[in-house]
Amino acid sequence: GENVEQHPSTLSVQEGDSAVIKCTYSDSASNYFPWYKQELGKGPQLIIDIRSNVGEKKDQRIAVTLNKTAKHFSLHITETQPEDSAVYFCAASSDYKLSFGAGTTVTVRA
Amino acid sequence: DGGITQSPKYLFRKEGQNVTLSCEQNLNHDAMYWYRQDPGQGLRLIYYSQIVNDFQKGDIAEGYSVSREKKESFPLTVTSAQKNPTAFYLCASSRVGAGGRNEQYFGPGTRLTVT
Repeated sequence: GENVEQHPSTLSVQEGDSAVIKCTYSDSASNYFPWYKQELGKGPQLIIDIRSNVGEKKDQRIAVTLNKTAKHFSLHITETQPEDSAVYFCAASSDYKLSFGAGTTVTVRA
Repeated sequence: DGGITQSPKYLFRKEGQNVTLSCEQNLNHDAMYWYRQDPGQGLRLIYYSQIVNDFQKGDIAEGYSVSREKKESFPLTVTSAQKNPTAFYLCASSRVGAGGRNEQYFGPGTRLTVT
């Protein structure tokens, strides 16, 4: 089955700086890569996703890049704000099942 | 949380008791999922259902059971056979046949504590 690894497990950034989270996957058949943000005590919220026929996608301050050859994809958050503090999960899918990374706890320091 | 409700938010049970967690969605999604989340870990798939009256085991189905009698509802029963039932349980739903995109939307979760 699919195995998704996510790094780093924790990330502390100064407000206004950028944050980058990286994930690798094992199944070359995976073609859909979503990112979720989870706040304490809540369910994960889909924030951005990318399909395998696209190399990069941007939505305001967040962007995702995908390198299918190397089987890795990354989340970039620019101009971080305190409300960006949360746990972020990457995932990969080739069918109806999502395989999740272990999560990255992002803390934005004021 | 996108039209998915889970109840209750907190649930306490004694060891040896079965307990059923509720999940309802009004998104008209065909597929529904149950995940388990433990501290410091990603989400692990328990069961999923792509259509009414049909469901498949996920990666950690032992000690759990589900039913899918209605499109809107996908209850999860945590049985006494589940060795470590204390966890945060998340329900999700998605459209079927979404062209390779499996946009799953999550409910707010139920935190189950078994003592």
